[in-house]
Amino acid sequence: GDSVTQMEGPVTLSEEAFLTINCTYTATGYPSLFWYVQYPGEGLQLLLKATKADDKGSNKGFEATYRKETTSFHLEKGSVQVSDSAVYFCALSDGGFSGGYNKLIFGAGTRLAVHP
Amino acid sequence: DSGVTQTPKHLITATGQRVTLRCSPRSGDLSVYWYQQSLDQGLQFLIQYYNGEERAKGNILERFSAQQFPDLHSELNLSSLELGDSALYFCASSVGGSGRNTGELFFGEGSRLTVL
Repeated sequence: GDSVTQMEGPVTLSEEAFLTINCTYTATGYPSLFWYVQYPGEGLQLLLKATKADDKGSNKGFEATYRKETTSFHLEKGSVQVSDSAVYFCALSDGGFSGGYNKLIFGAGTRLAVHP
Repeated sequence: DSGVTQTPKHLITATGQRVTLRCSPRSGDLSVYWYQQSLDQGLQFLIQYYNGEERAKGNILERFSAQQFPDLHSELNLSSLELGDSALYFCASSVGGSGRNTGELFFGEGSRLTVL
């Protein structure tokens, strides 16, 4: 079945460092891809998404490009802040957008800790 | 605030007991999803309902059941509880069906269940 694999954490960086969190996927069709973020004590919230190959999702300085040839959706940010400390989840949607068939399959999550 | 409300936020109970977790989706959302987040298994999809009907089933134990009511709120029932059921249970909602569906899920803050 469909699955998502992301790099294990924790990832520890100093403020203003460059961030990459790797994510690869396995899917039979053409899924949409997502990055969700979970801040301490909160639920998950959508960070960015891409719905087709070569699309780039971006938000709050984070970017990820849907690479069909490498089945990847790596998350990047040029300069992290302490406030970016959270758990980041890569996910894919294994169905179409009609009829509510958009169950998400999540990776294991990568904890990011940014120090001043 | 995602607009998804989960109650209770925290619950402590004993092995063998039964609990019910409640979820109110965002206004207008027809789909409700339940996820279990534990330290050793990450974020696992349990079950999805769309407009009152079960639409997808994941790694949900037979001791667990769920339903979505006519007013679209949902309940997750966990019975014969075991120590290993201790986890954070998230509810999420999405539009589904008619109207533009972006594929995004909106998560509640979760119900933390501790089984002693």
